[in-house]
Amino acid sequence: EDQVTQSPEALRLQEGESSSLNCSYTVSGLRGLFWYRQDPGKGPEFLFTLYSAGEEKEKERLKATLTKKESFLHITAPKPEDSATYLCAVLGSSNTGKLIFGQGTTLQVKP
Amino acid sequence: NAGVTQTPKFQVLKTGQSMTLQCAQDMNHEYMSWYRQDPGMGLRLIHYSVGAGITDQGEVPNGYNVSRSTTEDFPLRLLSAAPSQTSVYFCASPAPRDNSSGANVLTFGAGSRLTVL
Repeated sequence: EDQVTQSPEALRLQEGESSSLNCSYTVSGLRGLFWYRQDPGKGPEFLFTLYSAGEEKEKERLKATLTKKESFLHITAPKPEDSATYLCAVLGSSNTGKLIFGQGTTLQVKP
Repeated sequence: NAGVTQTPKFQVLKTGQSMTLQCAQDMNHEYMSWYRQDPGMGLRLIHYSVGAGITDQGEVPNGYNVSRSTTEDFPLRLLSAAPSQTSVYFCASPAPRDNSSGANVLTFGAGSRLTVL
């Protein structure tokens, strides 16, 4: 059964304090790993898709990396506006079109 | 702007009442889905559809009914609401980009917050 676990559940950082969020996954035939950002009261917003181990993608202060068992979302010199819940999801070859989500990591960046 | 539109944004029901959450997308994609989001549980798939007239169950389908008569609309029905269905519901459909990869880059609606008393 496909499974996604995110850690930590919550993370508090000072502005400028870099850190990483973890997404561990078990999936048969990874077709894609997705990162989303969700602000309070809103729907998830797409950030990145990673397809194969070793792949990296960047957007402003965020960089996502992928290995065969986990993905990291690195946040460099975060700002208060980066505060949000970050969701990881996987699409496997055995689940037709179904994204399996982790529980999310809630990030708070204090000025 | 292309996207997913959900109504209503908020709803309060009494146990046993029925209601329909509406979802419409203008991205002309065959795939649509409904998720529920509960604290500590992440997003869980309720039902999905791969095209008009075709629906299938997700991870937590019990207590919910769906139909897909058009490409644009995918309503979610609660036939007899229960307190356990108190949640935030999201409808999602793939965005136009990334279709060539075969992977779904889902675009989500703003959500419908449902409280069942």
